[in-house]
Amino acid sequence: QVQLQESGPGLVKPSETLSLTCTVSGASISSYYWSWIRQPPGKGLEWIAYFYYSGNTNYNPSLKSRVTVSVDTSKNQFSLTLSSVTAADTAMYYCAIRAGSNWFDPWGQGTLVIVSS
Amino acid sequence: DIQMTQSPSSLSASVGDRVTITCRASQSITSYVNWYQQKPGKAPNLLIYAASSLQSGVPSRFSGRGSGTDFTLTISNLQPEDFATYFCQQSYSTPLTFGGGTKVEIK
Repeated sequence: QVQLQESGPGLVKPSETLSLTCTVSGASISSYYWSWIRQPPGKGLEWIAYFYYSGNTNYNPSLKSRVTVSVDTSKNQFSLTLSSVTAADTAMYYCAIRAGSNWFDPWGQGTLVIVSS
Repeated sequence: DIQMTQSPSSLSASVGDRVTITCRASQSITSYVNWYQQKPGKAPNLLIYAASSLQSGVPSRFSGRGSGTDFTLTISNLQPEDFATYFCQQSYSTPLTFGGGTKVEIK
């Protein structure tokens, strides 16, 4: 059973860079496509990116200029960085497996990031 | 981008009711729609993929139908644990997009 766990700072200052990590257990990072998705408090879901460990990354164009994803196969982890954050980036950030024809399952429990000075 | 419009945004229902949620895509997405359930404070959970395929472990009272632009998620015999928010998602093309959600509340 694959499990995902997000981690990272819960508070980031405006204009700084948000960095999150997703730790995978129960599967090798090389076995699947991975994804990041976010959800502002009380709002809907926004897909950020999906990628394979060896490349083939697909970003949401609305965030592409500020987003980078990376993989650490030695730690079975992958990461998200989002630069120049504003209050609009305040959200619960989820990592998930991008399965089949682009659905998401399973998901991590999520980590809340607040952008505030 | 493909817009996914869900309706209603919320509904009230009783245990045992049959509930139908609709999702309309801004263009044809054939059968590339998926449905998720989200409970408060939890991550979304996949219910239905490819419009009508039931994810393993999901009760059979959940069903999905549709193709092209119009899709439905039906919950027959609503159970107490089904009170949650439901989202559709199109997987036809990137950027992958979600509907705004339908909150199913207890009447």
